[in-house]
Order: sequence, then structure tokens, then C-alpha cells
Amino acid sequence: QKEVEQNSGPLSVPEGAIASLNCTYSDRGSQSFFWYRQYSGKSPELIMFIYSNGDKEDGRFTAQLNKASQYVSLLIRDSQPSDSATYLCAFKAAGNKLTFGGGTRVLVKP
Amino acid sequence: EAGVAQSPRYKIIEKRQSVAFWCNPISGHATLYWYQQILGQGPKLLIQFQNNGVVDDSQLPKDRFSAERLKGVDSTLKIQPAKLEDSAVYLCASSLAGQGAEAFFGQGTRLTVV
Repeated sequence: QKEVEQNSGPLSVPEGAIASLNCTYSDRGSQSFFWYRQYSGKSPELIMFIYSNGDKEDGRFTAQLNKASQYVSLLIRDSQPSDSATYLCAFKAAGNKLTFGGGTRVLVKP
Repeated sequence: EAGVAQSPRYKIIEKRQSVAFWCNPISGHATLYWYQQILGQGPKLLIQFQNNGVVDDSQLPKDRFSAERLKGVDSTLKIQPAKLEDSAVYLCASSLAGQGAEAFFGQGTRLTVV
């Protein structure tokens, strides 16, 4: 079992719609969860992090964490063509080890 | 604030040759990560340093890869000898210590082994 599982996509959404990305993790000791965005040919950049159960909103982005189900998600509201990228889920466990999933490619069509 | 610096940006070598990558983290960041990212995949952690000590190197192919972090600042990652399957982008990231600390990435080094 992979430590972090993500649907590789591509997830195709029309402009203005909501994109929903999911991630499951296996390490119950995981304490912090991160969503990074990676444009083609570029390095990952942080969108959001969350460490408490529930929702966390930042602009058009909402992260949701459910530790009991070992599940974290990212919602992108009012999707724009500029949101087309690969979204990487990551978690930190003991010792600040930062582990990434395989990423979900999102395509926003005008 | 200066970001994470990596060099070189691109490198092409023949198989069985050696190569080294350099990383200068953000000032004050105690944690330094080296990742390997193969096209179409997520970053795979090779090694993690806390200051100049190794925290995790469980996925580092130690028969050919080595890394060091001198004086807890700059770091180098070496491959010797390189194989075709080592073709990837090598990403360096740094962060403050702490569970919620964001990891900042350098621009990466794209390695092609021919």
C-alpha cells in the first residue's frame, strides 16, 4: 500500500465549476497535511496546509481533513484556466518527514 | 528573502558517469530535503537532513547515491555511477523545524542520462 494515494486524473472541469481532489494516507501518525500545486516544468508551491479535523478555507481553496478516515481533500471553487496544474498531497509524520502522493492533474476548460 | 538555490539547472551525462548537485537552503532553515521526481510522478524523498544530521535516507540507493550537508547549511547530492533510470528532476527543499512548517522548493536540476 502506498503511503499517500491520489487519483492521477486528469480531472477535467469547466471554467467556473468546483474541482474536488481527494487523498488518502496510511500513516496514522501523520500530523500535518499539505496541498502543493505544480505547473508543468516548475517546482511545487504550497497552496494550503491543515492539521485539525474539519475544513480550512483560503480564498477559492478549501481543505478538508478527516483523521479517523485518513482522508484529506481539496476543493477549488470557481475554477480558472490558470488552475490547470498537478496538485500534490503531502503529509508530515514523525521527524518532519514530508511524503508526497503521485499527484492529480487538473485541466480547467474555458 | 532569498529562496532555495540549486545548481546546475540542467545536466546531461552518459551512463556510468558521475554527477553532483548543489543546494543552498533558505537561511535559518534547519531541515533540508532532496527529492527525485520522475516525469509524471510525485516527488520521492531521497534523504532528509536536520541541521547536518541525517533524519531519513531509507529510499536513497546507497550503492550509487550519496549526500552530505556541510556545517548544516549547503548540501550536495552525488550519483556515481549513473544509470539510465536516474533520469529525473532532483528537487531540493528546505523548511523550518516544526510540523506545520512549509517546505520551499528550489528550481530543481533536470538530469538526463544517455
